Amino acid sequence: DAGVIQSPRHEVTEMGQEVTLRCKPISGHNSLFWYRQTMMRGLELLIYFNNNVPIDDSGMPEDRFSAKMPNASFSTLKIQPSEPRDSAVYFCASRNQGGPYNEQFFGPGTRLTVL
Amino acid sequence: AQTVTQSQPEMSVQEAETVTLSCTYDTSESDYYLFWYKQPPSRQMILVIRQEAYKQQNATENRFSVNFQKAAKSFSLKISDSQLGDAAMYFCAYSRGQLIFGTGTRLQVFP
Repeated sequence: DAGVIQSPRHEVTEMGQEVTLRCKPISGHNSLFWYRQTMMRGLELLIYFNNNVPIDDSGMPEDRFSAKMPNASFSTLKIQPSEPRDSAVYFCASRNQGGPYNEQFFGPGTRLTVL
Repeated sequence: AQTVTQSQPEMSVQEAETVTLSCTYDTSESDYYLFWYKQPPSRQMILVIRQEAYKQQNATENRFSVNFQKAAKSFSLKISDSQLGDAAMYFCAYSRGQLIFGTGTRLQVFP
């Protein structure tokens, strides 16, 4: 089992550029979550999907952020235009909703630096 | 709204000794899950242990165990026979679907 796969692992970009983060959940999982981790705010849920449908995007900070899940095996988080305050580690996690333990499995994260 | 509080920003323990990390939470729900995640310097979030709120028995996973006090809304993690590899950030989390994390406790392990 490959686990949750995220790409890229590191991204350095300049303010104003578009950034796209990618996630492949664990096969068979039907829920997917995007989190952001910063020193100031800790771990925050940005958005989550059930069966490819966005359920709660109240954590998405601004309209500059958007997320899609076109199919069960792929999701993207896009920031356009990026700003220095978007610098953070972004995690994707997946879960088998209805599974016995309700636990989420995390990817390795993408460290984003916006200059 | 549910909240999770970890009141110990940092803890330290001698190798082979036992350490307890504290966590309290606030919820009006009766059915939920609680988790402890470990985040080493690699940043990977690793599930350490889970507890279902409807189970009275405290969960254990090898050297890791919890003290779950539902009425007090307390969920502490005990690490026995601490090892150097246990050094990491530890996050307590509450879930009824979404995970709500505490602010974390940084654990140092000294040889």
